[in-house]
Amino acid sequence: EAEVAQSPRYKITEKSQAVAFWCDPISGHATLYWYRQILGQGPELLVQFQDESVVDDSQLPKDRFSAERLKGVDSTLKIQPAELGDSAMYLCASSLVTGLAGFRYEQYFGPGTRLTVT
Amino acid sequence: SQKIEQNSEALNIQEGKTATLTCNYTNYSPAYLQWYRQDPGRGPVFLLLIRENEKEKRKERLKVTFDTTLKQSLFHITASQPADSATYLCALGRRSGYSTLTFGKGTMLLVSP
Repeated sequence: EAEVAQSPRYKITEKSQAVAFWCDPISGHATLYWYRQILGQGPELLVQFQDESVVDDSQLPKDRFSAERLKGVDSTLKIQPAELGDSAMYLCASSLVTGLAGFRYEQYFGPGTRLTVT
Repeated sequence: SQKIEQNSEALNIQEGKTATLTCNYTNYSPAYLQWYRQDPGRGPVFLLLIRENEKEKRKERLKVTFDTTLKQSLFHITASQPADSATYLCALGRRSGYSTLTFGKGTMLLVSP
């Protein structure tokens, strides 16, 4: 069964350092999401791509976070500089194209990257 | 502001009983609602989707209801098993635009033998 791949699974970094996460969605899924999940909370959307275009980044702290999906397939999320408050699980998910109307598809999540900032 | 409420306390039940989890929302008019299961240290896994014009959906031992008047969804697991122990998240979908979901905090379910 196809799965969303993420790497690394765990990352420990010092504050003020740069860190990057990679995600490879399920083949054929045009929509890709990056979420942040703090322990005890639900996932919070950071950025959503439709193919290579960002369609929602309203909750992305753009002064330190950036995301790209250059060829509309895999994606990278970067944090620079990392802060102590960035410690969390970073989840990537993908879904079939949904467009602006019609049926909404479920999201398939990867295993996540657990980030610890010291 | 938009708010999604799920029971913050863990739900403890005995094996074989029916577990009922609640998702309430305010200041929101979702077009659909989804339920996910999340095990510790892993990503959420999709379980069920229900649209605003549907009252009930079933899948094997799972049942979800959606009452847009009460602004509430109930998630039921019948004949619960210890393997059902996990955190269950409800997520609301927008009426228009892209398929952005807003997740609740989740409720932990513990099923004892």
